[in-house]
Amino acid sequence: NAGVTQTPKFRVLKTGQSMTLLCAQDMNHEYMYWYRQDPGMGLRLIHYSVGEGTTAKGEVPDGYNVSRLKKQNFLLGLESAAPSQTSVYFCASSPWTGRQALHFGNGTRLTVT
Amino acid sequence: GDSVTQMEGPVTLSEEAFLTINCTYTATGYPSLFWYVQYPGEGLQLLLKATKADDKGSNKGFEATYRKETTSFHLEKGSVQVSDSAVYFCALSDSGGGADGLTFGKGTHLIIQP
Repeated sequence: NAGVTQTPKFRVLKTGQSMTLLCAQDMNHEYMYWYRQDPGMGLRLIHYSVGEGTTAKGEVPDGYNVSRLKKQNFLLGLESAAPSQTSVYFCASSPWTGRQALHFGNGTRLTVT
Repeated sequence: GDSVTQMEGPVTLSEEAFLTINCTYTATGYPSLFWYVQYPGEGLQLLLKATKADDKGSNKGFEATYRKETTSFHLEKGSVQVSDSAVYFCALSDSGGGADGLTFGKGTHLIIQP
């Protein structure tokens, strides 16, 4: 019962470095999401995808890019990391949207110095 | 746009106390409503949900009733345990079937003392 798996679990970057966060789900879900969680801010949607080959912007997309080349994977990229991107990143998936609950991974804690 | 408001806490209670975490929402139409729980170092887990007015969601002794007239979805538990210590998030989905996920409240940190 893997569900939604995120890698890595922790990462420290220097300002200006790049990295990619990987999310994989084994539930054959159509929709996938990237959120960031910051103290006092709750969860904010970065980008999402409604199917293989599609992506769309969420509430806070600046500084991030995403790709969904395979249905089961959703990648979040930071091209030039900034300290403001220090956060905990969560990936989630759902079979379809509208009234469906999301299934979350355990998060990636990113620190940008 | 849609929004969710919940008490942020921390809320500190003694074991076996009665719990209420308030949640109110603003949305057009008839959204579905959810409560998620996040234990330290983990992702969010669905606790319960309700999809229409007057529905009651329940799980693990927790309950919440979808009240359209007061736009509320308050979480309750009759007797909390130390193991209930976590952060609780109220959330809603777009009733129009939009693809952009859920709208979350800021989370309520619950601390249960033995």
